[in-house]
Amino acid sequence: SQQGEEDPQALSIQEGENATMNCSYKTSINNLQWYRQNSGRGLVHLILIRSNEREKHSGRLRVTLDTSKKSSSLLITASRAADTASYFCAFEGGTYKYIFGTGTRLKVLA
Amino acid sequence: DTGVSQDPRHKITKRGQNVTFRCDPISEHNRLYWYRQTLGQGPEFLTYFQNEAQLEKSRLLSDRFSAERPKGSFSTLEIQRTEQGDSAMYLCASSPPGTALVPLHFGNGTRLTVT
Repeated sequence: SQQGEEDPQALSIQEGENATMNCSYKTSINNLQWYRQNSGRGLVHLILIRSNEREKHSGRLRVTLDTSKKSSSLLITASRAADTASYFCAFEGGTYKYIFGTGTRLKVLA
Repeated sequence: DTGVSQDPRHKITKRGQNVTFRCDPISEHNRLYWYRQTLGQGPEFLTYFQNEAQLEKSRLLSDRFSAERPKGSFSTLEIQRTEQGDSAMYLCASSPPGTALVPLHFGNGTRLTVT
């Protein structure tokens, strides 16, 4: 399958803790993006990292990319109950076609 | 920017019936994508358009599925002779012209239930 793999599948943490989720893929990529999805809704873009970048920050989000290991991680710092959602990575390999990972379901307990 | 709009939000149909979904992308966006998502899974690529041209179609897509974007604006996805396995959320996304270094903008999806 072309689909990316994410782990963990599910993550439950206390408010204020950090959440880390990982994504692995199999092909070469031009860029990798992370999306968030609240239950029953569409996906919302969070952050994009180019293949020649190793780390990127946006507010409480930090993304890393290791193209040699074909993997990426998303760190959410100081999590809030409102961060409860599913998170997906998506990678693009040069044809404008985006392949999504299997997702991590994050639950932040107040 | 009114966002990507999908219609209907929910569709319940009997096995064997045909269904059609509509997607209206953000007006300046020239690329339009269709994805299918089942419960607990990530979105699965179905097809995408650049303007009115359908540039790629997933090999997973059977001949019962067809998508069109006749004038390079809205798009329709039709499923013929629906099966219970077609039950899923169908998501549409669009992106602006230029490089692939841009985010996809998603609609809220059409949830299909085949009974």
